[in-house]
Amino acid sequence: TQLLEQSPQFLSIQEGENLTVYCNSSSVFSSLQWYRQEPGEGPVLLVTVVTGGEVKKLKRLTFQFGDARKDSSLHITAAQPGDTGLYLCEITGNQFYFGTGTSLTVIP
Amino acid sequence: EAGVTQSPTHLIKTRGQQATLRCSPISGHTSVYWYQQALGLGLQFLLWYDEGEERNRGNFPPRFSGRQFPNYSSELNVNALELEDSALYLCASSAGLASADTQYFGPGTRLTVL
Repeated sequence: TQLLEQSPQFLSIQEGENLTVYCNSSSVFSSLQWYRQEPGEGPVLLVTVVTGGEVKKLKRLTFQFGDARKDSSLHITAAQPGDTGLYLCEITGNQFYFGTGTSLTVIP
Repeated sequence: EAGVTQSPTHLIKTRGQQATLRCSPISGHTSVYWYQQALGLGLQFLLWYDEGEERNRGNFPPRFSGRQFPNYSSELNVNALELEDSALYLCASSAGLASADTQYFGPGTRLTVL
């Protein structure tokens, strides 16, 4: 059983469209990180969310932590080709669990 | 400021051989983490070192081992290589135990086992 499930697994959209990706856990977690990984590179940290119900904005990206701290979402407004990449969520504690990832392609 | 560096970039080995991968953390960071990113399996946590000690390890066999040196750099050793060990091995660092949620990743070492 995967501890963290992400959906959708693949997403291909046109430039300018909005999208939301989801990260769901079977357990409550204390903090969650979102990363973006481009081919041939390591993941780059986008944000850390720690408080239930917390919303963080990073330019066109909006991150939300569920009230029950078992889920999170990433919303991208007006997607651009530079947003293309693999989006990963991670929970940390004594060990570190990554989600299955959402591969996003933004078509110019 | 230099980021996390890893060497080599690519490594090709044959089944049964040993592989050694190296990682240099960001200056001032004391924690180093190793992950395996295999095709179709996602990122899997391997090992966590802090201040020279192993803090935790993921669900991998003992032939995956490592160490952290006094300068906080780290080495991952994989013995008796198997075909399924082929993957991208990522190293990350953070500023100690209290900052484990803020990890900075290196570009990875691509290990191919033939």
